[in-house]
Amino acid sequence: DVKVTQSSRYLVKRTGEKVFLECVQDMDHENMFWYRQDPGLGLRLIYFSYDVKMKEKGDIPEGYSVSREKKERFSLILESASTNQTSMYLCASVGDRDRLGNSPLHFGNGTRLTVT
Amino acid sequence: QKEVEQDPGPLSVPEGAIVSLNCTYSNSAFQYFMWYRQYSRKGPELLMYTYSSGNKEDGRFTAQVDKSSKYISLFIRDSQPSDSATYLCAMSVTNAGKSTFGDGTTLTVKP
Repeated sequence: DVKVTQSSRYLVKRTGEKVFLECVQDMDHENMFWYRQDPGLGLRLIYFSYDVKMKEKGDIPEGYSVSREKKERFSLILESASTNQTSMYLCASVGDRDRLGNSPLHFGNGTRLTVT
Repeated sequence: QKEVEQDPGPLSVPEGAIVSLNCTYSNSAFQYFMWYRQYSRKGPELLMYTYSSGNKEDGRFTAQVDKSSKYISLFIRDSQPSDSATYLCAMSVTNAGKSTFGDGTTLTVKP
C-alpha cells in the first residue's frame, strides 16, 4: 500500500513565523500535490510538482512556496504565517496506473495548522 | 463560478437506504472522474475512478458519468453506518494530473 506521511498532525504557530510542512511518500511517485481543506470551500490546490526540483502553482499559491529536492519529499513553506492560513493541509501523491488501470491520488492524514 | 459544484448536504439517512450524491461541472475538458471518501481526522481515500462517460459498479457503489450533461453521481445501495463520512467528487483533465474537487457532502447513516 502507498503510504503518504505528513510529519505533524497538529501545529500551532504565531503570525509572522516561517512554517514548514513536510510530506514523504514511499512509492516512488512522480507527482505530488499540496491542498488545503476548509469548510464550505472543499480542497483547493496550492502547489504541485511533477518531478524533482520542478514546481507549478495551483489555484491559491499566494503566501506559500514549495521545495522538492528529493523525489519522495515535498515540502510546503509558509513564508510569513497569517491567521487566514489556519487550515487543514493535505499532501497527496500519484504515480503510474495501478493494477486496475487507475491513477488515484494517495493522501496523507493531514496537518491541522492554527496560526494565532 | 466554481468549476465543480457538489450537492452540499448534509445528508442523514436510515440504514439500508439508497443514497445519491451528485456533482456538476463546467470544464468540458475533464475526462477522469473520481469519488473519494473521507472519514473524520483522516485523509481522503479513493472510492471510485471512472474514465469518460458511463457507469461503473463496485459492490454497493455505482458511479455514473454523463459528460453531455456535465453531471456525475455516486449511488450507495443498502447504506451502512460505516458509510458515514464526507464524500468528495473530483475531476481531472489528464490521468495522474491535478484534480479539482467539489466541496464535499457529509453523509450520516443511522442504525
